[in-house]
Formats: sequence, structure tokens, C-alpha cells
Amino acid sequence: GENVEQHPSTLSVQEGDSAVIKCTYSDSASNYFPWYKQELGKRPQLIIDIRSNVGEKKDQRIAVTLNKTAKHFSLHITETQPEDSAVYFCAASITGGGNKLTFGTGTQLKVEL
Amino acid sequence: NAGVMQNPRHLVRRRGQEARLRCSPMKGHSHVYWYRQLPEEGLKFMVYLQKENIIDESGMPKERFSAEFPKEGPSILRIQQVVRGDSAAYFCASSLDDQPQHFGDGTRLSIL
Repeated sequence: GENVEQHPSTLSVQEGDSAVIKCTYSDSASNYFPWYKQELGKRPQLIIDIRSNVGEKKDQRIAVTLNKTAKHFSLHITETQPEDSAVYFCAASITGGGNKLTFGTGTQLKVEL
Repeated sequence: NAGVMQNPRHLVRRRGQEARLRCSPMKGHSHVYWYRQLPEEGLKFMVYLQKENIIDESGMPKERFSAEFPKEGPSILRIQQVVRGDSAAYFCASSLDDQPQHFGDGTRLSIL
């Protein structure tokens, strides 16, 4: 089955700096890659996603890149703010093939003032 | 436009009792997924259901756990004879076909 690895497990940045979180996946059939943000005690919230027919997607301060050949994808957050502090999870799935999400182990992002 | 609704938010059970967790998907969503999250860990897939059908239960423990999504009413995740290791947050998500999954607030299950 699919296996998703995520790095780093913790990330501390200064406010205004950029943050990058990286994930790799094992199943070349995976074609959908969402990113979720989870604040303490809250639900995971979808912040951005990308499908395998696209190499990059951007939404304001958040961008995701996908390298299908290397089987890795990354989340980029620019101009970080304290409210960006949370745990971020990457995931992979095969749409049309059951859709179950395989999650990475999460990255605790702390944005310091 | 209500999101995914889960209840109860918190559930306390003693070892050996049964736990029932409920999930009402977003309006119009026919796909329901259950995930389990242990403290300070990621979410693990348990089961994927559509109305009256279990599509994929590859993440469900073989014993004590069952799930259903009846024609009418919410999806139910049932855990019989709970043990301490069942303590976790259980999240439900719903989607339209191949569209993104949206999560509920979860049920935090504590076993005494």
C-alpha cells in the first residue's frame, strides 16, 4: 500500500520568513495530494491540494509543488504569520480508486514573533 | 450550509463497554470516511462507505470494530468491548465523488 513520509517533524521560523515542508510517497498510482492544517484540538482543514496533471499550484501565501518522477511534493508558506502556527499534514490518494487518504506524520510549525 | 457533524465530541467509556460514534456528512455528500488519530500522530484510514455499502475497510481492526452508513441517518462507527488502546480521536470526513474530503470536529474517546 501507499506510504507517505513527511519532513521535518518540527519547524520553527521567524515571523515573515518562509516555511517549507516536504513529503514523499511510494505508490506511483497516487494522483491527488492535499495538505491539511490542524490546530490543537480542532479538525484538519484543507488548505490546498494538487492533482498529478499539475506541477505547481498557488493560493495567496501558500503554494504546493509536485515532482511525479521523484514522487515528492512540498508545501511552501511565504511571509509566515503567528496564526500559521499549527500541525500540517500532507496526504496522498488515488482518486477513482477508493479515495482513501494516506497521511504523513505531520509537521509542527511554530512561527515566532 | 452545515459542515460534517460528529457527535458526541467527547465520549468516556469503561473497559468492556461499547462506543458508538456518529457522523452526518455535508449536505449532498454520499462518501464517508473514518480516520483514527492517536495523540501526537497522523490520521490513519479506517473505512470508506457509501450509502448502505462498505467500499473499503482495509484499515479497520478485524475484531470489535464495525461501521455502517444506512440509507437514512448518520454513519455509525461502533467499537465493542473497548480497551485502553482504543483511546483516540476519531474523525469522519465526507466528499462528493472524487472531490476533496472535508472533516468533522472529531470524537475524542477516552477509556477508563
